[in-house]
Amino acid sequence: DADVTQTPRNRITKTGKRIMLECSQTKGHDRMYWYRQDPGLGLRLIYYSFDVKDINKGEISDGYSVSRQAQAKFSLSLESAIPNQTALYFCATMKRGNQPQHFGDGTRLSIL
Amino acid sequence: GESVGLHLPTLSVQEGDNSIINCAYSNSASDYFIWYKQESGKGPQFIIDIRSNMDKRQGQRVTVLLNKTVKHLSLQIAATQPGDSAVYFCAEMGGAGSYQLTFGKGTKLSVIP
Repeated sequence: DADVTQTPRNRITKTGKRIMLECSQTKGHDRMYWYRQDPGLGLRLIYYSFDVKDINKGEISDGYSVSRQAQAKFSLSLESAIPNQTALYFCATMKRGNQPQHFGDGTRLSIL
Repeated sequence: GESVGLHLPTLSVQEGDNSIINCAYSNSASDYFIWYKQESGKGPQFIIDIRSNMDKRQGQRVTVLLNKTVKHLSLQIAATQPGDSAVYFCAEMGGAGSYQLTFGKGTKLSVIP
């Protein structure tokens, strides 16, 4: 079983719809992250959380919100989706300290 | 702003040859560096990391070199195999108390059988 699981894996929706992407982890890590990946732009940080009571904005948080429901769960919401939010979205987890982040396999989101 | 970048966006190598993927970073406060491999349809996968108090670290068929003087990071893959074909990203973590990674844009490695 994957340590970091993202659902759904693919989603096509229309402009203006509300969308939630889910991430769950079995690694027991405190820190969780949401990134988007666009061709030619690499991975950019949307939001991150160091524990259930700690939420922080990343580089490109506008148009997104997050919820850390438990240590193992971190969800990303698009309240009113727009076409330029079409991208690959990745969730990652990390232990405390200088450690590598561990990624899920992503959600491919298309907004028409 | 400061960022992590790559010298070569694409690299083609013959199977069995060694591959070298380069990365330049600009944040002199960065003290932790990671290489990731991303295959099609999958998330980035950790390959190897290095801390700023080291200049070389070896793993299985991979070596990371860090040159702090010129702010340069490289990933060497020995005896490259078709399964090594992927996009490779470097990432840096900047300074004490910073737990965010800054990623380069990636280099696509293609292995020719």
